Amino acid sequence: KNQVEQSPQSLIILEGKNCTLQCNYTVSPFSNLRWYKQDTGRGPVSLTIMTFSENTKSNGRYTATLDADTKQSSLHITASQLSDSASYICVVTLSNSGYALNFGKGTSLLVTP
Amino acid sequence: NAGVTQTPKFQVLKTGQSMTLQCAQDMNHEYMSWYRQDPGMGLRLIHYSVGAGITDQGEVPNGYNVSRSTTEDFPLRLLSAAPSQTSVYFCASSYRSGGADNEQFFGPGTRLTVL
Repeated sequence: KNQVEQSPQSLIILEGKNCTLQCNYTVSPFSNLRWYKQDTGRGPVSLTIMTFSENTKSNGRYTATLDADTKQSSLHITASQLSDSASYICVVTLSNSGYALNFGKGTSLLVTP
Repeated sequence: NAGVTQTPKFQVLKTGQSMTLQCAQDMNHEYMSWYRQDPGMGLRLIHYSVGAGITDQGEVPNGYNVSRSTTEDFPLRLLSAAPSQTSVYFCASSYRSGGADNEQFFGPGTRLTVL
């Protein structure tokens, strides 16, 4: 069972609209959570990092939130643009030794004109 | 900085053939890893390395070998290609494996088809 669950699996919205992507995780002990954006045919790129003490962080039109108590994060995209069409991947890092990254399967977002 | 580079971008193999996917980074990162990405499966870890001379297996290591003789290079070898290895392969590097310095920098990917 994947310990980092993302929803929805896919989403279609009109250009200019807002949307929110969800990431729920069960892994512990928690170190940080990153959201990556992956454009078609390219490697993922980090959008934002959330640590245990942070509730919200913005990167332009992208705003990430974290509730470490309920183990939930969201990525809110404001005033969507066609260039936001991509896959968004949630990655949770554990605070243990060795390989500590846990990947969600991603949400595929399509922004249409 | 070129970041993380991968070659080739595309490759077609026949079942049973072997090949090496190349990965290099110029950021002096200690941590490097290989992932495969399949539709509906997300990114899955194949092998990783925490420094030159040190490698370890990930979630799906069967059929693949790695070595890390230098900090910069981390090649992935397919020993005897199988159709199940048809996938997109990504190499990534980071300053650390954990903590706030563990942002993964991904290469552009290699799209591999095994016939």
